Amino acid sequence: DGGITQSPKYLFRKEGQNVTLSCEQNLNHDAMYWYRQDPGQGLRLIYYSQIVNDFQKGDIAEGYSVSREKKESFPLTVTSAQKNPTAFYLCASSIVGGDGDTQYFGPGTRLTVL
Amino acid sequence: AQSVTQPDIHITVSEGASLELRCNYSYGATPYLFWYVQSPGQGLQLLLKYFSGDTLVQGIKGFEAEFKRSQSSFNLRKPSVHWSDAAEYFCAVGDMTSRFGAGTRLTVKP
Repeated sequence: DGGITQSPKYLFRKEGQNVTLSCEQNLNHDAMYWYRQDPGQGLRLIYYSQIVNDFQKGDIAEGYSVSREKKESFPLTVTSAQKNPTAFYLCASSIVGGDGDTQYFGPGTRLTVL
Repeated sequence: AQSVTQPDIHITVSEGASLELRCNYSYGATPYLFWYVQSPGQGLQLLLKYFSGDTLVQGIKGFEAEFKRSQSSFNLRKPSVHWSDAAEYFCAVGDMTSRFGAGTRLTVKP
């Protein structure tokens, strides 16, 4: 089955620690995205990547970093510089062009910083 | 700049009743418009999308949406709601850097 996987589903970290969230897709999509979702808010774009070894900042990139070494993978690191990291994180992917860049989402990772 | 407004934070309807969720957008050109549904603790699932052509779009699970350029709206409708439709619904506009609304939470009364 094609799809997007995110791991782990739940993640707990102590304040001041960096943590990396995994996102893998086997849809052969060129573009991948990371969003943050907080209660009562919509999705806010953190980073996106249209091609391997290239990525762009979204609206709330501060305190986060990403890499895109493989087409299938787009890990997100939440650094200690992120002031309020507790949130639900969603990864998505899409083709580029043609389909209106319809995004397909993973199941999400809930990060709690203690 | 792109933006999306979903005016209703929470809507409650009775099972079997009709449903309309509102979405207003701001976009400089002909928009790409999407509706997604999210169950608690899950990712988002695409219900339907509009790019061009017929302004009435059919989606999955019996949902439809109508694009009205004059009103900058893309409201989601369903003629008869089922208990399993209880979820959070998000409207989105754009393409590579889509903007999402804040969401409307739907509660279905038995």
